[in-house]
Amino acid sequence: GAGVSQSPSNKVTEKGKDVELRCDPISGHTALYWYRQSLGQGLEFLIYFQGNSAPDKSGLPSDRFSAERTGGSVSTLTIQRTQQEDSAVYLCASSFRQGANTEAFFGQGTRLTVV
Amino acid sequence: AQRVTQPEKLLSVFKGAPVELKCNYSYSGSPELFWYVQYSRQRLQLLLRHISRESIKGFTADLNKGETSFHLKKPFAQEEDSAMYYCALIGAGGTSYGKLTFGQGTILTVHP
Repeated sequence: GAGVSQSPSNKVTEKGKDVELRCDPISGHTALYWYRQSLGQGLEFLIYFQGNSAPDKSGLPSDRFSAERTGGSVSTLTIQRTQQEDSAVYLCASSFRQGANTEAFFGQGTRLTVV
Repeated sequence: AQRVTQPEKLLSVFKGAPVELKCNYSYSGSPELFWYVQYSRQRLQLLLRHISRESIKGFTADLNKGETSFHLKKPFAQEEDSAMYYCALIGAGGTSYGKLTFGQGTILTVHP
């Protein structure tokens, strides 16, 4: 595809269940970012990858959150034992890093609702 | 640590009025700054970047290192400018190299 693709678009899960959110970046983009967007909180940084490594995981809210990236491409954000406060839109972005001044392209997001 | 602050969550203006969306940052180094915009039911997208010194859709933003600010301005707002605007900073070196951090966002509403 031409853009960043995220799946699923919407996810409703029961409290305590695990969920996996997927991000397919633009082909050739080495940097990949995960954010959480919620009302009143803006765009909260979670984690980013350069290739398959994650230089900064400081934004992950708790040890229930983890992310991985394989083959320098697809990334999965996993939330274990979901809580109601995890409900939000999870956004993924990718960029082709040549120096610092590169545009990040965003996916449409995954709306997660924990009931 | 790098930080971006947008002090206004909501901003309302009338069509044709000037608009300024404020952004302040904290970063120990030379920052690379951006403004991103999200229109209703659309993806978040780049509006402009400071290094390009460009005007996009009538918007400009000047980096003021002394005041650590990167405010977004437009002299005459249009109804189609109504959107959520995010200021962002990317780390250009050190341990935060490549980390893209956003502010809390400002919802701009332009009334007819």
